[in-house]
Order: sequence, then structure tokens, then C-alpha cells
Amino acid sequence: QSALTQPPSASGSPGQSVTISCSGTSSDVGAYKYVSWYLHHPGKAPKVILYEVTKRPSGVPDRFSGSKSGNTASLTVSGLQAEDEGDYYCTSYAGDANLLFGGGTKLTVL
Amino acid sequence: EEQLVESGGDLVQPGGALRLSCTGSGFTFSAYWMHWVRQGPGKGLVWVSRIKHHERDATYADSVKGRFTTSRDNAKNTLYLQMDNLRVEDTAIYYCARYWSGALDLWGQGATVTVSS
Repeated sequence: QSALTQPPSASGSPGQSVTISCSGTSSDVGAYKYVSWYLHHPGKAPKVILYEVTKRPSGVPDRFSGSKSGNTASLTVSGLQAEDEGDYYCTSYAGDANLLFGGGTKLTVL
Repeated sequence: EEQLVESGGDLVQPGGALRLSCTGSGFTFSAYWMHWVRQGPGKGLVWVSRIKHHERDATYADSVKGRFTTSRDNAKNTLYLQMDNLRVEDTAIYYCARYWSGALDLWGQGATVTVSS
């Protein structure tokens, strides 16, 4: 049950785009369409921002987009805004409804 | 409004036990699989356990297997996490979350568990 690999930090200026990667294996990220991304502010409940690689829940701005190639998924935040700052986590389905989390990426808006 | 509310967090000594509860409202609780996720101090989110619709079909992370038990009472719209033989490294905020289409789409506010002597 190894965690998915994310960069520990990312940053960008307001209006810029930033991409966060999430690397797994052929048994998790590479095997299923069920990759999701979450934004977590400490002390609050995490919020899902993407599911099934590319789908956005209602209310999530289209500045958030996702993709997947092989065993690596990516989250792109376009037109960075101050409120995008926080901790981002990816998850992947790992069989039998179990989930693997990434280690998290702290996004800083400069 | 759809909501999950956790309770039961506390300070407990190593080797002790604690039971967390998570009550759902505003949706058909029995229709969803449910998960527990935790975040240790200064650490990331980590998956702990999941349970399918019925109370006896649960799986666990290796770090808690044999010590934690997840169950649910659909008549009470409540999910439970029974934590036995607690260790210092189990200190964390524990979140319950609803599972849908491969994602955790509704989360509780978290329950704080501190294991310390």
C-alpha cells in the first residue's frame, strides 16, 4: 500500500498556471479511471475538486482541470487566485473500493 | 443539506481503546460505501478503512489491520471506527467520508484522537 507520489510543493503568481503531478503504478493510477483530487485547508474538511480524472463536481470552477497518461495523473490550475492556495492531494482507486492517497502538495500563490 | 458529523475523539493512553462515530444526514446513508481517512500532525491524508453497504464488509490499511474495526448501523445512519490497542502513531484527525464514483465526495469535519501517556 505505497502512497502515490506528488511533489511536496508548487507555486505560481496570480493569473499563472501550475500543474501538480501524481505518480502511481500500473496497479492503481494506470489501471483505473478513478483518480480524484482534493483541496485541503488545515482545520477544515477536504473538498473534492476533480473525480474520474477530468470531471468537476458542481461548483468547482473550470480553472481546475485534470489529465492522465500512463501511471501519472496531473492537476492543472489555470488563472491562479489567492484562494487556490492550500494542500492538494490525489487519490486513486486501488481495487475493492480501497483508495491510495498521494503525499500531498502545498500550493503557494506568490 | 447533506452532512457528516463525527464524534468520539479524545485523549487516550497507549494501549487504550476508543470508538469514533460518524452520523450522516440529508442523504440515503445506506446507499453509499463509507471510508475513514486520517491526518497525523504535520503529515498528509492517509486512507484508513472502507466499508461497503453492509456492516461486515470492511477493509483496512496495513497499519491498522487487526486493531481497528469499521462497522455501520444503517438504521441509525451511523458509521463507527472501533480503535483498540492504540499507539502514539495513531494520533491524528480522523475524517469519515462518503464514497461515490471513485471519489470521497462528502467529508465530516474531523475528530481528534490523541494517544499519549
